[in-house]
Amino acid sequence: ELKVEQNPLFLSMQEGKNYTIYCNYSTTSDRLYWYRQDPGKSLESLFVLLSNGAVKQEGRLMASLDTKARLSTLHITAAVHDLSATYFCAVSHSGGGADGLTFGKGTHLIIQP
Amino acid sequence: DVKVTQSSRYLVKRTGEKVFLECVQDMDHENMFWYRQDPGLGLRLIYFSYDVKMKEKGDIPEGYSVSREKKERFSLILESASTNQTSMYLCASSSYRAPNTGELFFGEGSRLTVL
Repeated sequence: ELKVEQNPLFLSMQEGKNYTIYCNYSTTSDRLYWYRQDPGKSLESLFVLLSNGAVKQEGRLMASLDTKARLSTLHITAAVHDLSATYFCAVSHSGGGADGLTFGKGTHLIIQP
Repeated sequence: DVKVTQSSRYLVKRTGEKVFLECVQDMDHENMFWYRQDPGLGLRLIYFSYDVKMKEKGDIPEGYSVSREKKERFSLILESASTNQTSMYLCASSSYRAPNTGELFFGEGSRLTVL
């Protein structure tokens, strides 16, 4: 059974600081996804990481994937209030993704002025 | 842009009622999914479908059924709603045509309350 664990599950940080969210998964997979969810809203795709060593950046967010360690990280640089949200990582059950993704429980991120 | 539309954003139903949640996508995606989201539990896969009239059980199918009569539409059915089915339900779709990333595109969600 595929398990996906995120930590921390809750993070309160100040604007301007850096921090990293970790995502570990239990079985071999070379595809990992990061999503953002704002309160009361649906999930918005942030990053799709499709191979070992993949790194993607968008603004103050950078995601990376190490398939050998079964670990992905989402790094936040110089956080701003607008990044407050819940962040989910998800792993594909199979290469093609036809049978869905398994999600972590999410990291609730609050960025305070 | 991919658009996944869920017919009802908020529903309130009584225990024992039959509930239909409808989802339509407009990008000709082959794969469609129903998840439920609960605080502290994240998203859990209920059912999915990779083709018309095909359905597969996800991790928590008990108490639910699905219907996929047309490629663009995937319905979730609660035959006899119970209070423990109070939740946010999220529909998603994906394609296995190139580039075949497996990325899911989500609808806005349907928040169901069963009294």
